[in-house]
Amino acid sequence: ETGVTQSPTHLIKTRGQQVTLRCSSQSGHNTVSWYQQALGQGPQFIFQYYREEENGRGNFPPRFSGLQFPNYSSELNVNALELDDSALYLCASSLRAYNEQFFGPGTRLTVL
Amino acid sequence: EDQVTQSPEALRLQEGESSSLNCSYTVSGLRGLFWYRQDPGKGPEFLFTLYSAGEEKEKERLKATLTKKESFLHITAPKPEDSATYLCAVQGESGAQKLVFGQGTRLTINP
Repeated sequence: ETGVTQSPTHLIKTRGQQVTLRCSSQSGHNTVSWYQQALGQGPQFIFQYYREEENGRGNFPPRFSGLQFPNYSSELNVNALELDDSALYLCASSLRAYNEQFFGPGTRLTVL
Repeated sequence: EDQVTQSPEALRLQEGESSSLNCSYTVSGLRGLFWYRQDPGKGPEFLFTLYSAGEEKEKERLKATLTKKESFLHITAPKPEDSATYLCAVQGESGAQKLVFGQGTRLTINP
């Protein structure tokens, strides 16, 4: 059974640029959630996708957007990057919205 | 608004010295309380789910318990490989599907 995978591992961008992060969910899971984790803090919920539809959103501005594909993989897009967007971005998959969420290794984004 | 507070922020123990980590929460209708372990620079690793007060779960040297206001993660005779940050999260009925995390407890076990 393949776990949650994310790409890339690390990314360096400059302020104002756009970035796309990718996630492949665990086999059999149809729900993907994205979280942002600043250094020394717990993860903060960005949004969740269930069967290609957004299924809930946290307190993040519209420049954070996402997609889920028919194979349940997902993308997180961030436009107009700001310095405060520097963080570890985590993807988690689950069987359904209310089941345990299993996390990928994360993508470390640095905005200069 | 759902909230989670973990204490202490950091804990340093000697190998074999048992202790407990605390997770206090407020939530409108608890769907589940989750414990995760996170190693530096990596994603959280799922440990336990607790659903109702009085429930307990065990895995190796770890035991999680739940009351209506808090959860404890008891670690018995820890080893250096238990060193990690332990995260607590709740999923409430009003917050739908999201997990609300505490800031974590950074645990260090000295040999």
